[in-house]
Amino acid sequence: DAGITQSPRHKVTETGTPVTLRCHQTENHRYMYWYRQDPGHGLRLIHYSYGVKDTDKGEVSDGYSVSRSKTEDFLLTLESATSSQTSVYFCAISTGSDAGYTFGSGTRLTVV
Amino acid sequence: KQEVTQIPAALSVPEGENLVLNCSFTDSAIYNLQWFRQDPGKGLTSLLLIQSSQREQTSGRLNASLDKSSGRSTLYIAASQPGDSATYLCAVVNSNYQLIWGAGTKLIIKP
Repeated sequence: DAGITQSPRHKVTETGTPVTLRCHQTENHRYMYWYRQDPGHGLRLIHYSYGVKDTDKGEVSDGYSVSRSKTEDFLLTLESATSSQTSVYFCAISTGSDAGYTFGSGTRLTVV
Repeated sequence: KQEVTQIPAALSVPEGENLVLNCSFTDSAIYNLQWFRQDPGKGLTSLLLIQSSQREQTSGRLNASLDKSSGRSTLYIAASQPGDSATYLCAVVNSNYQLIWGAGTKLIIKP
């Protein structure tokens, strides 16, 4: 979607290595989110941010950390990737509870 | 706990038909409801956003309704086309500002 980009689009990494996914927005939205999407589980919230340096955990945060040092960037880090973290990761942005969500195109991560 | 259900899970119809996708939620205390489409291997595209105070929203051939008291929303697609084939997801923002997702309806429009 225009205004929100994720990088990389695809990544293959080995078990035990650190991985960082980047979400960049040009909309100046306050809220940013990281989701993972898996067959049979739908979309699940990993972490979210409600401002620079303000982050909180979602329902599946174990094994993940995030950072937001600038309004426009929200980083998701897998400290030591595991095969269970093979998934498609989506970033989303929003201006607040009355606003809709806009999603990025996703990052397909494979941990071998 | 808010739960969102989408029926049917899959739907296949001939091109040109009008169709309705259903979304129900268990807790009427929502801020808004949003319909998305997702093409295979792609991201999510927002289709329509309905605020809790609204009854419906329209965009082109799409019309979404919201009946908060009964916990239901419908997405009406008029004159369906093969390009409408995708998975359609609805999601509600609940009273805790969480986005709760339905499992989706996989729609196939046959030429």
